[in-house]
Formats: sequence, C-alpha cells, structure tokens
Amino acid sequence: KQEVTQIPAALSVPEGENLVLNCSFTDSAIYNLQWFRQDPGKGLTSLLLIQSSQREQTSGRLNASLDKSSGRSTLYIAASQPGDSATYLCAVMNNAGNMLTFGGGTRLMVKP
Amino acid sequence: GAVVSQHPSWVICKSGTSVKIECRSLDFQATTMFWYRQFPKQSLMLMATSNEGSKATYEQGVEKDKFLINHASLTLSTLTVTSAHPEDSSFYICSGQGTGGFKYEQYFGPGTRLTVT
Repeated sequence: KQEVTQIPAALSVPEGENLVLNCSFTDSAIYNLQWFRQDPGKGLTSLLLIQSSQREQTSGRLNASLDKSSGRSTLYIAASQPGDSATYLCAVMNNAGNMLTFGGGTRLMVKP
Repeated sequence: GAVVSQHPSWVICKSGTSVKIECRSLDFQATTMFWYRQFPKQSLMLMATSNEGSKATYEQGVEKDKFLINHASLTLSTLTVTSAHPEDSSFYICSGQGTGGFKYEQYFGPGTRLTVT
C-alpha cells in the first residue's frame, strides 16, 4: 500500500525566504505526482503536476522536482510571501490511474 | 482547467437524518468520480470511486450502506450520508476524472462541510 509522508508538518518563515517542502512515497510505481495548495476551509488548488517520466516542473515562483527511483519530491518556493500561507499537499497517482494517495500536508505560515 | 462544483458548500443536519451532496463536472465529462473525506487538520482520505452507470467501489472501512453514491450521468455524482451521526461531521470533497487534460488527472470540487448536531 502506497504511503506518502510530508516533512515538515508545519513551517513558519519570515517573508522573503526561499523554502523547500519535502514529500516521500514508498512505492515508486507511480504515474504522476501532484502538489496542491489548500487554504483553511477550502478545496484544493492544483499547483504542479509532474509525470513519472519528468524530473521537474516550474510555475512562477514554484518549482517541483521528482526523483521517482528514490521516492522523493520537493516543492521549492522562492521569495515567499504572506499570501503563500496555506497547507501544501503532495499526492501520487498509481499506474492504474485509479488511486490518488495524499500526504499529511505541510502547514506553511509566512510572516510579514 | 476543468471545473467541478459541489452543492451545498456547507450543511448542518440533525443526528439520524440523511443529507445529499452533489458533485458536478461543469465543462467536461467525468467518466470516474472520487469522493474524499477530510477531518480537521488531517489529509484527504479516499472513500469511494464511482464510474458512470456502475456501482461505486468503497475503500476498506467505509460503510457502503451509510454512504450511498450514485453516478447516474457523466456530469453528476451524489453522495448521501444516511442516518448521520456527529462522527460523520467532516469536509467532503469530490473529484472528477475525464478524458481531457493530463491522463488520469483529477479535478477537485470546492468541498462540502457537513456538521451533524
């Protein structure tokens, strides 16, 4: 059974810092990996999706990398802003495309 | 990107009553829809998967007679929580998976907060 772990569980940083969120998964037989943002009481916003054949994806200040063989992904946020405060979730899709397994999330607070 | 809506966005019901949550794909056909549950400060847990016109497949530990799922069309799935109890209070999120976009990509609804008193 796939297990996804995110470290740290919570993170508080001053505005302007670059930061890295980590995600690890136990079964490397994945189809893709996705990073989401969730604001309190809200649904999910997809940030980046990395296919298993890809190494990284970038969108604005966000960069996500994938090392499938070692079961790891990182989300890099450059020049953090208070508006980045949210919970960030990592999720992996199995090869059959019918199971998306989520990590526990990292709660990020960026202080002005 | 593809849009999924949920209705209602929040609902309060009394213990013992039933409540229905709708999940609609607005601009794509969702051949498969997924229902997730999220307790406070926890991550999403898959409850069940439904394919249009077929019976839903429930994850281990999810009572199929309590959480009734119907996926009668390619744009609508419903989750009915029957005989709700306070421990069913949670945030329920659906997603749709269709033939567009990235293969297997799921598009998530905004969620429904259920409070059972």
